[in-house]
Amino acid sequence: SQKIEQNSEALNIQEGKTATLTCNYTNYSPAYLQWYRQDPGRGPVFLLLIRENEKEKRKERLKVTFDTTLKQSLFHITASQPADSATYLCALDGGLTGGGNKLTFGTGTQLKVEL
Amino acid sequence: EPEVTQTPSHQVTQMGQEVILRCVPISNHLYFYWYRQILGQKVEFLVSFYNNEISEKSEIFDDQFSVERPDGSNFTLKIRSTKLEDSAMYFCASSVTGNSNQPQHFGDGTRLSIL
Repeated sequence: SQKIEQNSEALNIQEGKTATLTCNYTNYSPAYLQWYRQDPGRGPVFLLLIRENEKEKRKERLKVTFDTTLKQSLFHITASQPADSATYLCALDGGLTGGGNKLTFGTGTQLKVEL
Repeated sequence: EPEVTQTPSHQVTQMGQEVILRCVPISNHLYFYWYRQILGQKVEFLVSFYNNEISEKSEIFDDQFSVERPDGSNFTLKIRSTKLEDSAMYFCASSVTGNSNQPQHFGDGTRLSIL
């Protein structure tokens, strides 16, 4: 069955360092992969989207890579700040299996940036 | 910046009662979605809606669930006879089109508590 895995353990890093979060998937052929941020008690907020034939995408301090051979995406936050503390969700579309525009989310990785 | 709004923020209902959750999607968006998140678990797709019809639904979205766009602005999710296991955060989302390369914009959810 289709599966999306993100680091279930929280990631604690020091301010100014680069945070790297991992999303692995199996039994999927997504056309697009998206990353969202979720704060406690709030809805997911879209951050970045990457297409299956793109290797890398950047937006300000954020960078996403997408390796369809490894079936993995890495999400990087450079020069991290305490305000970056949140849960980060990886989401895949229905892709080539015909799932259309519904999103399937991973369980998320909680990031805490400490002073 | 336009946003998706959801009401109420918290709904407490007795088991077996009907509940209606309301959403106002972003005005120029054409696709609407409902997702739910049980406490501590991942965000799960329920249903997508376009042109006054359901375009896709998950196994969770059984006969007890229905969606409606009663007017030009509101999008509702109805649960006919609530069960304890329906307790969750329910998120409404919208997107400009139904293409997988479009981000989805989420509201901050309705916390549904079934007693």
